[in-house]
Amino acid sequence: GDSVTQMEGPVTLSEEAFLTINCTYTATGYPSLFWYVQYPGEGLQLLLKATKADDKGSNKGFEATYRKETTSFHLEKGSVQVSDSAVYFCALYPGTALIFGKGTTLSVSS
Amino acid sequence: NAGVTQTPKFQVLKTGQSMTLQCAQDMNHNSMYWYRQDPGMGLRLIYYSASEGTTDKGEVPNGYNVSRLNKREFSLRLESAAPSQTSVYFCASSTHWNTEAFFGQGTRLTVV
Repeated sequence: GDSVTQMEGPVTLSEEAFLTINCTYTATGYPSLFWYVQYPGEGLQLLLKATKADDKGSNKGFEATYRKETTSFHLEKGSVQVSDSAVYFCALYPGTALIFGKGTTLSVSS
Repeated sequence: NAGVTQTPKFQVLKTGQSMTLQCAQDMNHNSMYWYRQDPGMGLRLIYYSASEGTTDKGEVPNGYNVSRLNKREFSLRLESAAPSQTSVYFCASSTHWNTEAFFGQGTRLTVV
């Protein structure tokens, strides 16, 4: 069945460090891919999305490129801030409902 | 903008008790979803409703029932709560498959 695998956390970085969170997926067809972020005590909110191969989603300095050949959608940011500390979820939408990865906790210290 | 509203925010139940989690959205979305979030498990889909009048099982439906009361409201019922249902429950809604899903703030449920 359809599934998402993302790197285990937690990820601990210093402010201004480079961030990569790996995400790979298994799906039939060509699902849309998403990154959601959850700040402490809140619900999830969309960070970025890509709907077809080679699309790049971007928002708030975060980027991810839909790579069909490697079935990946890795999240990157060039310079993280303390305010980026949160849990990040990779997700795919195969046509019924979002399927999420297990989440990666990011902690950024100043 | 209210978005997706869930009630209650917190609840403690005794094993065997029943309760209904309420969810309402004011964005005229067709699709609504119930997820549960457990440590190390991410979010798992319990039930979803692609449109008013339809509901379908997700990954972990056992022990739950749902009702799509109208386009705005989608409730989740636990008929006989078990400790394994201790979790944070999120309701979400979206226009259709390719658009953003909006999440409520969550309901933290503890079954003792």
